[in-house]
Amino acid sequence: KNEVEQSPQNLTAQEGEFITINCSYSVGISALHWLQQHPGGGIVSLFMLSSGKKKHGRLIATINIQEKHSSLHITASHPRDSAVYICAVSWDYGQNFVFGPGTRLSVLP
Amino acid sequence: NAGVTQTPKFRILKIGQSMTLQCAQDMNHNYMYWYRQDPGMGLKLIYYSVGAGITDKGEVPNGYNVSRSTTEDFPLRLELAAPSQTSVYFCASSYRDSPLHFGNGTRLTVT
Repeated sequence: KNEVEQSPQNLTAQEGEFITINCSYSVGISALHWLQQHPGGGIVSLFMLSSGKKKHGRLIATINIQEKHSSLHITASHPRDSAVYICAVSWDYGQNFVFGPGTRLSVLP
Repeated sequence: NAGVTQTPKFRILKIGQSMTLQCAQDMNHNYMYWYRQDPGMGLKLIYYSVGAGITDKGEVPNGYNVSRSTTEDFPLRLELAAPSQTSVYFCASSYRDSPLHFGNGTRLTVT
């Protein structure tokens, strides 16, 4: 069974800081997903990646398949980035997903 | 496209009552999923479907039932509601390793 761990569990940052959230998993996967959930809100997919690095605006996601590890970076953080960030892994071409417990990020103005 | 539409947004049930959570997607995705999210916990899979007429149990299926008569719809039925089913429920869909698309969630309280 694939276990997904995230660190840190909670993170408080000042506006403008560079933020890193980590995810590790135990079994080989077909893809890793980063999701964002605002308080009381729905869940939005940020990235899906199976190798290398992807960038969207101020967000960057990287994955190291050999080390079974991924990082989500936020540059120039802003209070609107405050949310729970969830790492999920999939295999069997989308038939199975396992989710991490989430990292709660608060960015203070 | 509306994406994934879930109804209702909120519901309070008494112990022993039944209800159906509706989920519909208009993206022609073959995979659909029902998850529950308990406070401070990760998403847990209740049931999933890989296409119309095909469903299978996930990690926490007890107390729930599903059907998938069309590609678009994947309702979740709660029979004999129990306090342990108090949670936030999310429906999601995807297509063969594509990103997951989530509905806005249903907040259910069983008292």
